[in-house]
Amino acid sequence: EAGVVQSPRYKIIEKKQPVAFWCNPISGHNTLYWYRQNLGQGPELLIRYENEEAVDDSQLPKDRFSAERLKGVDSTLKIQPAELGDSAVYLCASSLGGSDEQFFGPGTRLTVL
Amino acid sequence: QKEVEQNSGPLSVPEGAIASLNCTYSDRVSQSFFWYRQYSGKSPELIMSIYSNGDKEDGRFTAQLNKASQYVSLLIRDSQPSDSATYLCAVNVGYSTLTFGKGTMLLVSP
Repeated sequence: EAGVVQSPRYKIIEKKQPVAFWCNPISGHNTLYWYRQNLGQGPELLIRYENEEAVDDSQLPKDRFSAERLKGVDSTLKIQPAELGDSAVYLCASSLGGSDEQFFGPGTRLTVL
Repeated sequence: QKEVEQNSGPLSVPEGAIASLNCTYSDRVSQSFFWYRQYSGKSPELIMSIYSNGDKEDGRFTAQLNKASQYVSLLIRDSQPSDSATYLCAVNVGYSTLTFGKGTMLLVSP
């Protein structure tokens, strides 16, 4: 079974530039999560989707971050404009409906210069 | 603020020893608990989940849960250098939302 797929794996941008991350969850997993992980910290939830509905986006900085999951499968997380403090690893995870067990993709390491 | 606390370490153990990793959480209503292993530069990998008080064993790993004390632990028997990683404790705080600790770094020396 293929795992969670994310791209790109690495991204370096100048501050104020836009950036987008893509995630394809494990087949059949209807719950999708975006996390941000800073160095030396655990992952912090940004947004959770149940199918195509964003059911928890309370931690998403909505002034610059947006996300979508149009067909209830893959998802895109966007930052516009990026700030220096956005440098982190952005992780996507998925789980089966009714299960708490979340499986992570390889992540995208973002560096904002 | 629902918190998950872990000692950041590093916890150093010799090869073949038992490594004991601990985690406390603040939300009494939490029902499910997870341990993730994260190698340097990699993403978290789920290694154990536990839902009820007591012990759960899977190979060399044993998870222990004490809800009254709000305490979760992970024991790794016969530790190997390949077990050297950061171990993240995660707690379900409701609606499939996990709160993670900062992780404990484990170093297993040959």
